[in-house]
Order: sequence, then C-alpha cells, then structure tokens
Amino acid sequence: NAGVTQTPKFQVLKTGQSMTLQCAQDMNHNSMYWYRQDPGMGLRLIYYSASEGTTDKGEVPNGYNVSRLNKREFSLRLESAAPSQTSVYFCASILDMQFSPLHFGNGTRLTVT
Amino acid sequence: GQQVMQIPQYQHVQEGEDFTTYCNSSTTLSNIQWYKQRPGGHPVFLIQLVKSGEVKKQKRLTFQFGEAKKNSSLHITATQTTDVGTYFCAGLQDDSWGKLQFGAGTQVVVTP
Repeated sequence: NAGVTQTPKFQVLKTGQSMTLQCAQDMNHNSMYWYRQDPGMGLRLIYYSASEGTTDKGEVPNGYNVSRLNKREFSLRLESAAPSQTSVYFCASILDMQFSPLHFGNGTRLTVT
Repeated sequence: GQQVMQIPQYQHVQEGEDFTTYCNSSTTLSNIQWYKQRPGGHPVFLIQLVKSGEVKKQKRLTFQFGEAKKNSSLHITATQTTDVGTYFCAGLQDDSWGKLQFGAGTQVVVTP
C-alpha cells in the first residue's frame, strides 16, 4: 500500500519553462490537495479537489493549474515557472474533508533559476 | 480571513526538559489537527481535537483545545532526541469546508 506518491522528487527549471507535478493515491480517498512549503510560512494551499471532477482555488493559486484526472490522480502544472515558485510541493489526500487527517506524499523540491 | 498563528517559531530544548507550543486562531474552529514533520520529511498526522476543552494524550505528548475553540496547545514532557522536527497545527473553520489553515510551525531542536 503506497499511500500518496509524488513524482518527481527533485526538479530544476529555468524561468519560463513549464512542468507538471504528478500525484497519485491508492487509498480511495475522495479529496486531494496541493500545498507549497516555504521556510517560516508553513504549508499554503494552492488548489484542492473535493471530489473527482471538481477543483477549487486555495490561498495561493496564481501561476498554477490543476487537473483531477480521476479519483486517484491530481496533477499540478506550472505553465511558465518563476523564481518565486521555488519551493517544496506536497500533495495530500483525505477521505472525508471535515474530520479526517491529511495523508501527505514525500514532496517535490522544485528550484527555478 | 482566518489566520492561524503558532508560537514560538523556534524552540531549543535540553533533552529531558518539557516545552509547549501554542496555536491561536482569529476565528472559531470546528476542529484542529496537529502534524509533525521530521527534517527532510513530510508532515505526518498526530492527532485531531474537535470538542471544546478537549484534552488528548499520546505518551509524552498532551494536546489541548481551548474552551472557545480558538486556541490549542501541544505540551511535550521529558523531551527526547526523537522529538526533533517541526510541529504544525492546522485549523478548520466551519465555513471553510475542506480548507485547513496551517500555522507556520514550531521548529524543535533538542540538545543532548
């Protein structure tokens, strides 16, 4: 049982390049989330998907797009990377949105030069 | 909007000592969760508090939810080197269904 799997683990981009971060969960969870983590700022929500077929903006959605491909997969796309998007990105999933814990993936460390 | 503040940002503790980290929200929360992140790792769920005044214990860790459901605390007794990491609280506001608001975390360093 793998839980939440994120790929890639590390990525270096040049300003203006695009890339997609992949996330998949095998726990049959309904909701999935993308967070970014920066020093001293905790985890900030980028986008979330309450259920298959729906997506909503979080606290810091600018510069990102998401796709809930199916119940298992939730991808995050950077269309034109900027240095301000250098961060550690975590995908997470949850069974019930209100009273269940978040299960996090191992993270993607992204550097934009 | 809802804000969750966590203090202190850093905590240096001598092994064997106790310490407390605090979490305060500007609005009433429906529940609060605590997570621990080891250096280089990902956040791992520790516990969830739902009821006003609730107290839960996990071995040397004691978690409290305030009477007004606006604050919470994590108290660790007899700190061990395995307690190293960053502790996050995350609060859910009633009308922000699905949007946990994370505090900035308390980074704990333990000296032997």
